[in-house]
Amino acid sequence: KQEVTQIPAALSVPEGENLVLNCSFTDSAIYNLQWFRQDPGKGLTSLLLIQSSQREQTSGRLNASLDKSSGRSTLYIAASQPGDSATYLCAVSSWSQAGTALIFGKGTTLSVSS
Amino acid sequence: DGGITQSPKYLFRKEGQNVTLSCEQNLNHDAMYWYRQDPGQGLRLIYYSQIVNDFQKGDIAEGYSVSREKKESFPLTVTSAQKNPTAFYLCASIDRAGELFFGEGSRLTVL
Repeated sequence: KQEVTQIPAALSVPEGENLVLNCSFTDSAIYNLQWFRQDPGKGLTSLLLIQSSQREQTSGRLNASLDKSSGRSTLYIAASQPGDSATYLCAVSSWSQAGTALIFGKGTTLSVSS
Repeated sequence: DGGITQSPKYLFRKEGQNVTLSCEQNLNHDAMYWYRQDPGQGLRLIYYSQIVNDFQKGDIAEGYSVSREKKESFPLTVTSAQKNPTAFYLCASIDRAGELFFGEGSRLTVL
């Protein structure tokens, strides 16, 4: 059964720092991997979607990479800002579950101080 | 604007009552999902529907029911059989590329 882990659970950094959030998964036979942002009391906002055939995706200051062989994805945030403070979740869709639902990690809560 | 609308945003339930959470999407997506989010537990799948008039149980379906009579609508009923219903409920739909889109959520509190 696919399991998704995000470490650390919480991270605090000063404004302007570049940072990396980690996501690991146990079954490398994935369909895609998606990164989300969640603000307190809100729904999830999709940040980046990486298909299994892709190695990375970029959107503005965000870059997500995917290494299926090692079961890892990273979300790189450049020049962090206080507005980046939120919980970041990754979710994996496995081939055996394609068309059903994603398996989520528990998230990393990021705090960026000014 | 295309998106997913959940209502109500906040809901209070007395013991023994059934309550229904609404989820409407205008993204023309076939598949829709209901997740439950609890502090420290992440998102857990309650029910999903891949097509109108069809739905499947997720990991924690006990005490919940759904219907899918229209492509745009996927309401969730929290029944009195759900022993611990206080949680944040999230509705989502998925496009053909596999990208998941969420509503703003509904927070249910049992009094």
